[in-house]
Amino acid sequence: NAGVMQNPRHLVRRRGQEARLRCSPMKGHSHVYWYRQLPEEGLKFMVYLQKENIIDESGMPKERFSAEFPKEGPSILRIQQVVRGDSAAYFCASSPPGQVEKLFFGSGTQLSVL
Amino acid sequence: AQSVTQLDSHVSVSEGTPVLLRCNYSSSYSPSLFWYVQHPNKGLQLLLKYTSAATLVKGINGFEAEFKKSETSFHLTKPSAHMSDAAEYFCVVSDRASGGSYIPTFGRGTSLIVHP
Repeated sequence: NAGVMQNPRHLVRRRGQEARLRCSPMKGHSHVYWYRQLPEEGLKFMVYLQKENIIDESGMPKERFSAEFPKEGPSILRIQQVVRGDSAAYFCASSPPGQVEKLFFGSGTQLSVL
Repeated sequence: AQSVTQLDSHVSVSEGTPVLLRCNYSSSYSPSLFWYVQHPNKGLQLLLKYTSAATLVKGINGFEAEFKKSETSFHLTKPSAHMSDAAEYFCVVSDRASGGSYIPTFGRGTSLIVHP
């Protein structure tokens, strides 16, 4: 049973480009969380999704950021028109519905904006 | 509403001495509590978790934590530090948010430094 898979591991973008971060949850997990970690800080919650539905997006910036978790395929965190301040590690976690005690994290995607 | 406070941003110990990383939480319901470790440039690894069973929880690598409801604490301990324990440690609380969903909330982290 593979763990939570995130790709790419590292992503470099120039200011103004788009960044797409992918997260494939563990088998049997239908809920996905996205977190952002800025240097020397803890993880900040961004969005919580289940397939085809956003459950809670209270941590998402109002502009440029969006997330989806389609019926088929991985969850995608999309950042449009990236700026230097978007440089961070982005972590995805998955769990079965309502079973946060079975939460598992991916290895993260390090986004660097030049 | 839920929150978690890690009382120390840095903890420095000598190899072979005990480790104590402090965590206090605030939760409206019966929370689940976790400790994660993050080594430099690595992902997150679950050390241990409390989910309303035994209040003393044993984890990997000799770590353990005790859930104390009266003190709203979940401190992480280890009897004897090893050099390989040097890392960032995160305390995490999760209970039912106002909208009914469970969203884990991270503390700011404690950096454990182990001296030879």
